[in-house]
Amino acid sequence: GQNIDQPTEMTATEGAIVQINCTYQTSGFNGLFWYQQHAGEAPTFLSYNVLDGLEEKGRFSSFLSRSKGYSYLLLKELQMKDSASYLCAVLDSNYQLIWGAGTKLIIKP
Amino acid sequence: GAVVSQHPSWVICKSGTSVKIECRSLDFQATTMFWYRQFPKQSLMLMATSNEGSKATYEQGVEKDKFLINHASLTLSTLTVTSAHPEDSSFYICSARLTGTEYNEQFFGPGTRLTVL
Repeated sequence: GQNIDQPTEMTATEGAIVQINCTYQTSGFNGLFWYQQHAGEAPTFLSYNVLDGLEEKGRFSSFLSRSKGYSYLLLKELQMKDSASYLCAVLDSNYQLIWGAGTKLIIKP
Repeated sequence: GAVVSQHPSWVICKSGTSVKIECRSLDFQATTMFWYRQFPKQSLMLMATSNEGSKATYEQGVEKDKFLINHASLTLSTLTVTSAHPEDSSFYICSARLTGTEYNEQFFGPGTRLTVL
């Protein structure tokens, strides 16, 4: 079966750095997405990785290792507004998004 | 950028009634749209894939006669929850696929919160 694992919840301090990990086992791979979802709102796109390596976009970076079935989202200089759920999703061989359960990130002052 | 709207944003209805939710791609044409359901503290669950001009493809466990999907144009898909019951109360989110881009990104609507009394 297809499976995506990410931690249920993480806590970090304002101004710090946090890394959210995601491991996956899917039928085929056409890329991995990270989305941010605030409570009661729809997900918003953060990043897309299809090749191994690190993609940096401002305070957010995303890393992918296809051989290990592993990705992480790195958030720097954390702000209170970064408190949200972060969803990892893999595009499988049928170009269908397989979603992780999400990681709730709590930022403390 | 690509924008997807949903209407209504929230709805409260009585048990046994039907509710229609609209999903529109505002500045692009979408041959494929997706309908998701999300219960509190859970991840998105794909309900069905809606293709313009053809029947929707439903995920296992989703009743096609209860959740009617119509994708009549390249910018509009509708989800009708028929004979709604309290267990259907959830956050329903649609997304539209923008083809021709690097990774055929899905753009999400703002979601519709359905409460069935």
